[in-house]
Amino acid sequence: EVQLLESGGGLVQPGGSLRLSCAASGFTFSSYAMSWVRQAPGQGLEWVSGISGSGGNTYYADSVKGRFTVSRDNSKNTLHLQMNSLRADDTAVYYCARDHAPGHSGWYAGDYWGQGTLVTVSS
Amino acid sequence: DIQMTQSPSTLSASVGDRVTITCRTSQSISSWLAWYQQKPGKAPKLLIYKASSLESGVPSRFSGSGSGTEFTLTISSLQPDDFATYYCQQYNSYFPTFGQGTKVEIK
Repeated sequence: EVQLLESGGGLVQPGGSLRLSCAASGFTFSSYAMSWVRQAPGQGLEWVSGISGSGGNTYYADSVKGRFTVSRDNSKNTLHLQMNSLRADDTAVYYCARDHAPGHSGWYAGDYWGQGTLVTVSS
Repeated sequence: DIQMTQSPSTLSASVGDRVTITCRTSQSISSWLAWYQQKPGKAPKLLIYKASSLESGVPSRFSGSGSGTEFTLTISSLQPDDFATYYCQQYNSYFPTFGQGTKVEIK
């Protein structure tokens, strides 16, 4: 059974940092591109960042470029999102999601999603 | 960036109704479009990918169509479990974008 479990969310002050993790199981993790997608309270979905299965290709939304870094440890089946210089408008539930097919260089669409982890940026 | 425009933003319908949601993109994306269903407090669920391919396990009352810049999601006979918010998402590049969502409410 495919499972994705996010962790690392919490309350952080503006300008602070947080590192999210997504533990994957039930599939060959290194074969799939992964993404982080966020959802601000009461709002729609926003793609944040993606990474290829090997980790060699990374992609970022303009809203987080230069502040967030996506990475993965295929030996530990774990995806990470390092978030620096956090702002109030980064407040959201952050989901990790698996690409719907193996072997893509980037993430196309998500067939499995985690339950989400809440990040709140506030003083 | 490719802009997505979903309509309507809210839709009131009854069980058994045929429901259609439209998604338009600011430039052609061929068939690189997905549809999701999301219920409150839950993660999105993939319904359709590549504009018209039904994800495994999704009921056949859901269907997708379109190509280029105009796409539709159709629910042939709305069921109680279908009241939710629906999002389209383009993946013409590795910088996906989502529509703003369509909330399907009980009439």
